[in-house]
Amino acid sequence: KNEVEQSPQNLTAQEGEFITINCSYSVGISALHWLQQHPGGGIVSLFMLSSGKKKHGRLIATINIQEKHSSLHITASHPRDSAVYICAASKTSYDKVIFGPGTSLSVIP
Amino acid sequence: SQTIHQWPATLVQPVGSPLSLECTVEGTSNPNLYWYRQAAGRGLQLLFYSVGIGQISSEVPQNLSASRPQDRQFILSSKKLLLSDSGFYLCAWRYTGISYEQYFGPGTRLTVT
Repeated sequence: KNEVEQSPQNLTAQEGEFITINCSYSVGISALHWLQQHPGGGIVSLFMLSSGKKKHGRLIATINIQEKHSSLHITASHPRDSAVYICAASKTSYDKVIFGPGTSLSVIP
Repeated sequence: SQTIHQWPATLVQPVGSPLSLECTVEGTSNPNLYWYRQAAGRGLQLLFYSVGIGQISSEVPQNLSASRPQDRQFILSSKKLLLSDSGFYLCAWRYTGISYEQYFGPGTRLTVT
């Protein structure tokens, strides 16, 4: 079993829909990262969080430490949100990041 | 502000040829540096990380090596490329200390033919 898992693996949504991507992890973590990878391959760090909730524009990330679960929400989705969204965990006492398999999101106009 | 550069952006190399990918960071000192690879259809995998000049830790034994000759320079190398070395290579950095956020470079797409 992977230490960081995501669901769904693939997601297609209509423009304007509210989108949720889930991440669960089985290791102790120092921080949970949400990353966005565009079709060309470039990766952008969206959020890093260790508790609670963060919001940036139409993106919201939450984490529940007790349940070892995080969610990324996209409100009023747009075709430009189409990308692969990757959850990654920084393990407690480790410096390294463990990546989830990614969720491929396609938003249709 | 901090900037991370990688080059080349794309590379096509024959099997058995050498490889050198370079990553440099500007605007910070003594960063932690990382090399990741994303093979086709797979997630990101950590290859090497470095906490200082000349200090390299390898995560996965393979055909590649890394070096850090200067504080903000990280190099990924191979003496003889394999077909399985094809993929997307990403360099990343982060501050030392309690912040764990990593910042990624633009990546190098390597195709071994």
